[in-house]
Amino acid sequence: NAGVTQTPKFRVLKTGQSMTLLCAQDMNHEYMYWYRQDPGMGLRLIHYSVGEGTTAKGEVPDGYNVSRLKKQNFLLGLESAAPSQTSVYFCASRALGREVKTQYFGPGTRLLVL
Amino acid sequence: RKEVEQDPGPFNVPEGATVAFNCTYSNSASQSFFWYRQDCRKEPKLLMSVYSSGNEDGRFTAQLNRASQYISLLIRDSKLSDSATYLCVVNIPGGFKTIFGAGTRLFVKA
Repeated sequence: NAGVTQTPKFRVLKTGQSMTLLCAQDMNHEYMYWYRQDPGMGLRLIHYSVGEGTTAKGEVPDGYNVSRLKKQNFLLGLESAAPSQTSVYFCASRALGREVKTQYFGPGTRLLVL
Repeated sequence: RKEVEQDPGPFNVPEGATVAFNCTYSNSASQSFFWYRQDCRKEPKLLMSVYSSGNEDGRFTAQLNRASQYISLLIRDSKLSDSATYLCVVNIPGGFKTIFGAGTRLFVKA
């Protein structure tokens, strides 16, 4: 049981390049999230998904797109990377339920945009 | 005003000390509250949920004050291994999202 995994762990991009971050979970969780974490700031929600085939915008969605084609995977895309997107990206998942339950996080992807 | 605010610290305490962190939240309708721990360059992990009546888990005690809209975390008999950043987490009522505070950094020294 790997929990939540993320690939890649680290990436360097040039401004204008594109890339996709992959998040996978093996806990059969309905909800999945993408956050970014910057120094001195809390985790900020980029996009989230409440089930296969559905996505929604979070607090800071601009410059990112997502897809949830399979329940276990949640992809985050950067179409044209900018230096402001240099950050640590965390994916998380949690089980379905009216009561907010624990989120389980992946190990993070460190992205540097030059 | 930020939705969830924490004192960033850092708190520098000796081993064996008792240390307390507070966190305030702005949405009075919030229902669920958590403390997460994040080690340097690692992902956040749940430390404990916070219940209305307060709850304890070993050396850790969490309290909720709905009237003043704050939650607290008390760590007794601090260990070197408690050095980390502690994140306050509050749910968004009616939705699927939670808001994370920026975290309070704790250093426990020998």
